[in-house]
Formats: sequence, C-alpha cells, structure tokens
Amino acid sequence: DAGVIQSPRHEVTEMGQEVTLRCKPISGHNSLFWYRQTMMRGLELLIYFNNNVPIDDSGMPEDRFSAKMPNASFSTLKIQPSEPRDSAVYFCASSSGGEVTEAFFGQGTRLTVV
Amino acid sequence: SQKIEQNSEALNIQEGKTATLTCNYTNYSPAYLQWYRQDPGRGPVFLLLIRENEKEKRKERLKVTFDTTLKQSLFHITASQPADSATYLCALGSGNTPLVFGKGTRLSVIA
Repeated sequence: DAGVIQSPRHEVTEMGQEVTLRCKPISGHNSLFWYRQTMMRGLELLIYFNNNVPIDDSGMPEDRFSAKMPNASFSTLKIQPSEPRDSAVYFCASSSGGEVTEAFFGQGTRLTVV
Repeated sequence: SQKIEQNSEALNIQEGKTATLTCNYTNYSPAYLQWYRQDPGRGPVFLLLIRENEKEKRKERLKVTFDTTLKQSLFHITASQPADSATYLCALGSGNTPLVFGKGTRLSVIA
C-alpha cells in the first residue's frame, strides 16, 4: 500500500478563498483523522471518522471548517472562507481501529493563507 | 483539561550518548502511550507503544518506560547517531478515542 495520500502538498491562497484538502486513507483502515499542526499548538485533532461516519468534530475551530467522508477511500477538509490564521500543516491519518492501534499519517498539506 | 508536556522543545546531544526525552501528562488516564518520530516536511511515524500495565518496552536502540503513578513516560535512544535527529512526539490513547499528542521535542545528535 502507498500509505495515506494527501493532496495538495502545498497550497497558497488568498484570504476569503475556499480551500479543499484531500485524503486517501490506507485501504482497510476504518478510522480517519484530520489533525492540524502549528508551532504554537502542536498537533491538534480537528475531526475523526469511524466507518465513514463523523464521530467527534469538537476540534473543528469554526463553522468555516467542514469535513466529509463520502466513502471508505476518500475524505475532504474544506475551509470557506479561509483566513490567515488558518495557515498551518494539515495532516490526515488513518488506523485500523480497535482498542489499541497506531496511526498512519500522510505527508501533510502545508496551507498558507495570505 | 488534558495536558501533555514534553520536557523541552529542543535537546542537543553528542553522538554515542543516550538521549532521554520526557513526556508528562495531567488530567488523563491513558490506557496506552505511543511515541512517534517526525522529520521535517513529513508526517509523524509510529515507533513504539506501551500499555498502562507495562513498565518498559524495548525495540533495538529504543527504550520506553511508563509510570502511571508519576504520570510520566521516558523515551531513551542509546548510542545515538546523527540520523536520530528529528522531532519526537508522545501520544496518549484510551479505548477507541483518538490519540492526543504532545508538542514534541526536537532532538539534534551532534557528530
């Protein structure tokens, strides 16, 4: 398996624009997580899905953020409208679920909002 | 609220020495603890897992301890090498809930 695949790797956009980040989890994994990483706050969980169903989105900062998982092999994180404070590295991770499992991370998307 | 602290943002160590990184937590009772390595521009990669009922785990030059009384984990890299230079993250987990990560410690091994 190629691992967790995220696109794009880098995104530069103007404030107010819509941004869509994409993730393909590892085949067979039933849990998917979106994290955001900044120097100040480290890795923060935004939302996670289990069997394509959103379980906890309490980490989503505002209504400007939304996430979907239409099927087991694809998820999106959308920011609309984007703001400069959204600049960060966004990671998608997947795991096989269960009581104790490791998370497999993608390479991340570095988002810069100017 | 849950709080995870990793002893320092950065740690410099001489090649060949043992690097020791600390992870402390409060307001949490994790069932297990994991350590990840993150290189610049890449996502974290899993290294080791230790459960609450385990005191110590080893994997090659890596050793992890877990003290639920002190609410602390120590991560050791023996005979450190420049290739070990990276950021190391600890993460706490319990049941089916997602991992909660510390901010990480950036380790530099100097030749």
